[in-house]
Amino acid sequence: GNSVTQMEGPVTLSEEAFLTINCTYTATGYPSLFWYVQYPGEGLQLLLKATKADDKGSNKGFEATYRKETTSFHLEKGSVQVSDSAVYFCALGSYSGNTPLVFGKGTRLSVIA
Amino acid sequence: EAGVTQFPSHSVIEKGQTVTLRCDPISGHDNLYWYRRVMGKEIKFLLHFVKESKQDESGMPNNRFLAERTGGTYSTLKVQPAELEDSGVYFCASSQASGPYEQYFGPGTRLTVT
Repeated sequence: GNSVTQMEGPVTLSEEAFLTINCTYTATGYPSLFWYVQYPGEGLQLLLKATKADDKGSNKGFEATYRKETTSFHLEKGSVQVSDSAVYFCALGSYSGNTPLVFGKGTRLSVIA
Repeated sequence: EAGVTQFPSHSVIEKGQTVTLRCDPISGHDNLYWYRRVMGKEIKFLLHFVKESKQDESGMPNNRFLAERTGGTYSTLKVQPAELEDSGVYFCASSQASGPYEQYFGPGTRLTVT
Protein backbone atom coordinates (compact mmCIF):
# COMPACT_ATOMS: atom_id res chain seq x y z
CA GLY A 1 0.00 0.00 0.00
CA ASN A 2 0.89 3.66 -0.03
CA SER A 3 3.28 4.96 2.60
CA VAL A 4 5.31 8.02 3.50
CA THR A 5 8.61 8.12 5.32
CA GLN A 6 10.00 11.36 6.67
CA MET A 7 13.04 12.13 8.74
CA GLU A 8 12.69 11.76 12.46
CA GLY A 9 12.91 14.83 14.61
CA PRO A 10 13.22 16.87 16.53
CA VAL A 11 15.23 19.27 14.44
CA THR A 12 16.71 22.31 16.16
CA LEU A 13 18.16 25.13 14.08
CA SER A 14 19.38 28.63 14.66
CA GLU A 15 17.54 31.49 13.03
CA GLU A 16 18.53 32.03 9.37
CA ALA A 17 19.85 28.48 9.02
CA PHE A 18 19.00 26.32 6.01
CA LEU A 19 16.30 23.71 6.52
CA THR A 20 15.81 20.37 4.81
CA ILE A 21 13.25 17.80 5.94
CA ASN A 22 13.46 14.63 3.92
CA CYS A 23 10.37 12.83 2.70
CA THR A 24 10.13 9.74 0.51
CA TYR A 25 7.07 7.84 -0.53
CA THR A 26 5.82 4.54 -1.88
CA ALA A 27 2.71 4.63 -4.00
CA THR A 28 0.91 3.06 -6.88
CA GLY A 29 -0.14 5.29 -9.70
CA TYR A 30 0.53 9.00 -9.72
CA PRO A 31 -0.17 10.52 -6.34
CA SER A 32 -0.21 14.13 -5.33
CA LEU A 33 2.17 15.17 -2.57
CA PHE A 34 1.63 17.63 0.25
CA TRP A 35 3.38 19.26 3.16
CA TYR A 36 1.18 20.18 6.10
CA VAL A 37 2.28 22.24 9.09
CA GLN A 38 0.91 22.33 12.61
CA TYR A 39 1.84 25.39 14.62
CA PRO A 40 1.57 25.15 18.42
CA GLY A 41 -2.05 25.08 19.54
CA GLU A 42 -3.42 25.08 16.00
CA GLY A 43 -4.72 22.60 13.48
CA LEU A 44 -3.05 21.25 10.38
CA GLN A 45 -2.57 23.73 7.58
CA LEU A 46 -1.64 22.94 4.02
CA LEU A 47 1.78 24.46 3.43
CA LEU A 48 2.37 23.46 -0.17
CA LYS A 49 1.51 20.82 -2.72
CA ALA A 50 2.63 19.28 -6.00
CA THR A 51 0.34 17.28 -8.25
CA LYS A 52 2.71 15.78 -10.81
CA ALA A 53 6.34 14.87 -11.34
CA ASP A 54 8.81 17.77 -11.45
CA ASP A 55 6.25 20.18 -10.03
CA LYS A 56 7.61 22.53 -7.39
CA GLY A 57 5.33 23.60 -4.60
CA SER A 58 6.19 26.77 -2.73
CA ASN A 59 4.74 28.93 0.02
CA LYS A 60 6.09 31.23 2.75
CA GLY A 61 9.66 30.66 1.57
CA PHE A 62 9.33 26.88 1.72
CA GLU A 63 9.79 24.75 -1.38
CA ALA A 64 9.50 21.09 -2.31
CA THR A 65 9.95 19.40 -5.69
CA TYR A 66 8.11 16.24 -6.69
CA ARG A 67 10.87 13.83 -7.79
CA LYS A 68 9.39 10.70 -9.31
CA GLU A 69 12.75 9.13 -10.06
CA THR A 70 13.76 9.21 -6.40
CA THR A 71 10.18 9.07 -5.02
CA SER A 72 10.95 12.09 -2.88
CA PHE A 73 9.40 15.40 -1.85
CA HIS A 74 11.93 17.05 0.43
CA LEU A 75 10.97 20.29 2.16
CA GLU A 76 13.49 23.14 2.08
CA LYS A 77 13.76 26.71 3.28
CA GLY A 78 16.77 28.90 2.82
CA SER A 79 16.51 30.91 6.02
CA VAL A 80 14.28 29.77 8.87
CA GLN A 81 12.70 32.07 11.41
CA VAL A 82 11.59 31.47 14.98
CA SER A 83 8.00 31.63 13.74
CA ASP A 84 8.64 28.52 11.61
CA SER A 85 8.80 26.39 14.75
CA ALA A 86 6.12 23.76 14.23
CA VAL A 87 5.52 20.13 13.32
CA TYR A 88 5.75 19.38 9.61
CA PHE A 89 3.95 16.45 7.99
CA CYS A 90 4.58 15.03 4.56
CA ALA A 91 1.49 13.46 3.01
CA LEU A 92 0.39 11.62 -0.09
CA GLY A 93 -2.99 11.66 -1.68
CA SER A 94 -4.98 12.16 -4.81
CA TYR A 95 -5.53 15.73 -5.88
CA SER A 96 -7.99 14.58 -8.49
CA GLY A 97 -10.27 12.70 -6.21
CA ASN A 98 -11.58 12.54 -2.71
CA THR A 99 -9.40 9.97 -1.06
CA PRO A 100 -7.83 9.80 2.38
CA LEU A 101 -4.38 11.25 2.88
CA VAL A 102 -1.46 9.07 3.96
CA PHE A 103 0.85 10.91 6.34
CA GLY A 104 4.39 10.54 7.56
CA LYS A 105 5.14 10.63 11.28
CA GLY A 106 5.84 14.35 11.40
CA THR A 107 9.03 16.28 12.11
CA ARG A 108 9.17 18.78 14.93
CA LEU A 109 11.22 21.86 14.08
CA SER A 110 12.44 24.26 16.72
CA VAL A 111 14.14 27.46 15.61
CA ILE A 112 16.08 29.37 18.22
CA ALA A 113 17.06 33.03 18.04
CA GLU B 1 -15.69 31.92 6.18
CA ALA B 2 -15.50 29.71 9.25
CA GLY B 3 -13.03 26.86 9.15
CA VAL B 4 -13.43 23.34 10.43
CA THR B 5 -14.24 23.33 14.12
CA GLN B 6 -13.95 20.53 16.61
CA PHE B 7 -15.29 20.10 20.12
CA PRO B 8 -14.03 19.58 22.73
CA SER B 9 -10.45 20.67 22.33
CA HIS B 10 -9.36 18.33 25.09
CA SER B 11 -11.08 15.47 26.89
CA VAL B 12 -9.81 13.40 29.79
CA ILE B 13 -11.83 10.29 30.64
CA GLU B 14 -11.33 7.07 32.50
CA LYS B 15 -11.01 3.70 30.86
CA GLY B 16 -14.45 2.25 30.24
CA GLN B 17 -16.20 5.59 29.91
CA THR B 18 -17.80 6.99 26.78
CA VAL B 19 -16.70 10.08 24.88
CA THR B 20 -18.25 11.82 21.89
CA LEU B 21 -16.21 14.07 19.67
CA ARG B 22 -17.83 16.55 17.33
CA CYS B 23 -16.70 18.03 14.04
CA ASP B 24 -18.33 20.87 12.13
CA PRO B 25 -16.98 21.01 8.58
CA ILE B 26 -16.76 24.05 6.39
CA SER B 27 -20.25 24.91 5.20
CA GLY B 28 -21.05 23.24 1.89
CA HIS B 29 -18.27 20.66 2.08
CA ASP B 30 -19.73 17.26 1.26
CA ASN B 31 -16.62 15.31 2.20
CA LEU B 32 -15.70 14.82 5.83
CA TYR B 33 -12.77 12.79 7.13
CA TRP B 34 -11.68 11.63 10.56
CA TYR B 35 -8.02 10.98 11.30
CA ARG B 36 -6.12 10.11 14.47
CA ARG B 37 -2.57 10.67 15.65
CA VAL B 38 -1.45 8.40 18.46
CA MET B 39 1.63 9.06 20.62
CA GLY B 40 3.69 11.04 18.11
CA LYS B 41 3.17 8.53 15.34
CA GLU B 42 1.78 9.20 11.92
CA ILE B 43 -1.66 10.65 11.41
CA LYS B 44 -3.88 7.76 10.34
CA PHE B 45 -7.13 7.77 8.45
CA LEU B 46 -10.23 6.53 10.25
CA LEU B 47 -13.17 7.13 7.93
CA HIS B 48 -14.64 9.24 5.18
CA PHE B 49 -18.18 10.55 4.77
CA VAL B 50 -19.71 11.84 1.57
CA LYS B 51 -22.65 13.82 2.79
CA GLU B 52 -24.34 11.49 5.29
CA SER B 53 -23.01 8.24 3.80
CA LYS B 54 -19.91 6.39 4.92
CA GLN B 55 -17.72 6.19 1.84
CA ASP B 56 -14.82 4.40 3.48
CA GLU B 57 -14.50 3.24 7.06
CA SER B 58 -11.53 0.93 6.55
CA GLY B 59 -9.43 2.80 9.12
CA MET B 60 -11.79 2.39 12.05
CA PRO B 61 -9.85 0.36 14.62
CA ASN B 62 -12.74 -1.68 16.06
CA ASN B 63 -16.43 -1.64 16.85
CA ARG B 64 -15.95 0.54 19.91
CA PHE B 65 -15.82 3.48 17.50
CA LEU B 66 -19.03 4.77 15.98
CA ALA B 67 -19.18 7.70 13.59
CA GLU B 68 -22.30 9.45 12.38
CA ARG B 69 -23.09 12.37 10.15
CA THR B 70 -26.78 12.99 10.36
CA GLY B 71 -28.13 15.27 7.67
CA GLY B 72 -24.74 15.54 6.06
CA THR B 73 -23.64 18.44 8.22
CA TYR B 74 -21.69 17.93 11.44
CA SER B 75 -20.26 14.60 12.44
CA THR B 76 -19.77 12.83 15.74
CA LEU B 77 -17.29 10.15 16.67
CA LYS B 78 -18.20 8.13 19.74
CA VAL B 79 -15.80 5.88 21.57
CA GLN B 80 -17.52 3.38 23.84
CA PRO B 81 -16.04 2.00 26.01
CA ALA B 82 -12.77 3.90 25.83
CA GLU B 83 -9.48 2.06 26.26
CA LEU B 84 -6.03 3.41 27.10
CA GLU B 85 -4.80 2.92 23.54
CA ASP B 86 -7.51 5.27 22.25
CA SER B 87 -5.57 8.24 23.61
CA GLY B 88 -4.37 10.59 20.92
CA VAL B 89 -5.36 13.58 18.85
CA TYR B 90 -8.42 13.18 16.64
CA PHE B 91 -8.50 15.41 13.58
CA CYS B 92 -11.40 16.16 11.33
CA ALA B 93 -11.02 17.46 7.79
CA SER B 94 -13.46 18.50 5.09
CA SER B 95 -13.28 19.10 1.37
CA GLN B 96 -15.65 20.20 -1.32
CA ALA B 97 -17.47 17.88 -3.68
CA SER B 98 -15.67 19.04 -6.80
CA GLY B 99 -11.97 19.69 -7.43
CA PRO B 100 -9.57 20.73 -6.20
CA TYR B 101 -10.08 18.36 -3.31
CA GLU B 102 -7.92 20.13 -0.77
CA GLN B 103 -8.65 18.92 2.72
CA TYR B 104 -9.06 21.58 5.41
CA PHE B 105 -8.29 20.41 8.91
CA GLY B 106 -9.70 21.32 12.26
CA PRO B 107 -7.57 21.98 15.35
CA GLY B 108 -8.09 18.45 16.67
CA THR B 109 -9.42 16.99 19.88
CA ARG B 110 -6.84 15.66 22.30
CA LEU B 111 -8.28 12.58 24.02
CA THR B 112 -6.61 11.22 27.12
CA VAL B 113 -7.85 7.94 28.55
CA THR B 114 -6.57 7.19 32.05
